[in-house]
Amino acid sequence: AQTVTQSQPEMSVQEAETVTLSCTYDTSESDYYLFWYKQPPSRQMILVIRQEAYKQQNATENRFSVNFQKAAKSFSLKISDSQLGDAAMYFCAYRSAEGGSEKLVFGKGTKLTVNP
Amino acid sequence: ETGVTQTPRHLVMGMTNKKSLKCEQHLGHNAMYWYKQSAKKPLELMFVYSLEERVENNSVPSRFSPECPNSSHLFLHLHTLQPEDSALYLCASSQNRRVDYGYTFGSGTRLTVV
Repeated sequence: AQTVTQSQPEMSVQEAETVTLSCTYDTSESDYYLFWYKQPPSRQMILVIRQEAYKQQNATENRFSVNFQKAAKSFSLKISDSQLGDAAMYFCAYRSAEGGSEKLVFGKGTKLTVNP
Repeated sequence: ETGVTQTPRHLVMGMTNKKSLKCEQHLGHNAMYWYKQSAKKPLELMFVYSLEERVENNSVPSRFSPECPNSSHLFLHLHTLQPEDSALYLCASSQNRRVDYGYTFGSGTRLTVV
């Protein structure tokens, strides 16, 4: 079964600094998708960034970028110029096709605190 | 209203009660999902519906009963729940069963079973 591991339950960063959240996954598939979601206190999970495994170029969305290392099965999220509004739970997710139906498999999440 | 809307936002129920959670999406998506989110655990997939047909049931106890009357609405009927069922229940939708672009989530229903 595909699994997603986020090894940092909590992280903190100073406002305007850069922080990297780690994520590793286990799969035997060659074509897949990876995602980072943000869950603020409002509880709604918001898609931050998406990566297609067959693309070697790392995805970027404004201050958010990923370091995708396919051979190492690693998918870390870098947040540059951190802002107070970035404080949230961050979840890494893998699109699984196991069992014949596609769905997202999530890690346990990393709680990010941004200090002023 | 656009996006995925879940009601109620909070729910407290006794173990003998029957209640329902509602999810509605106006995105034209064809697949909808129920997830359970408990503290310090990964999100647990409960049910998957595609074009109103249930395509996956992840060994969820029968005290949880889903219903998808059309592609815009999804319900989770609850009866005789246990305290360990207290959690945040998230509804999500995707364009189709190929989840290439991820999900759009609702804000969840915080359920407390007393």
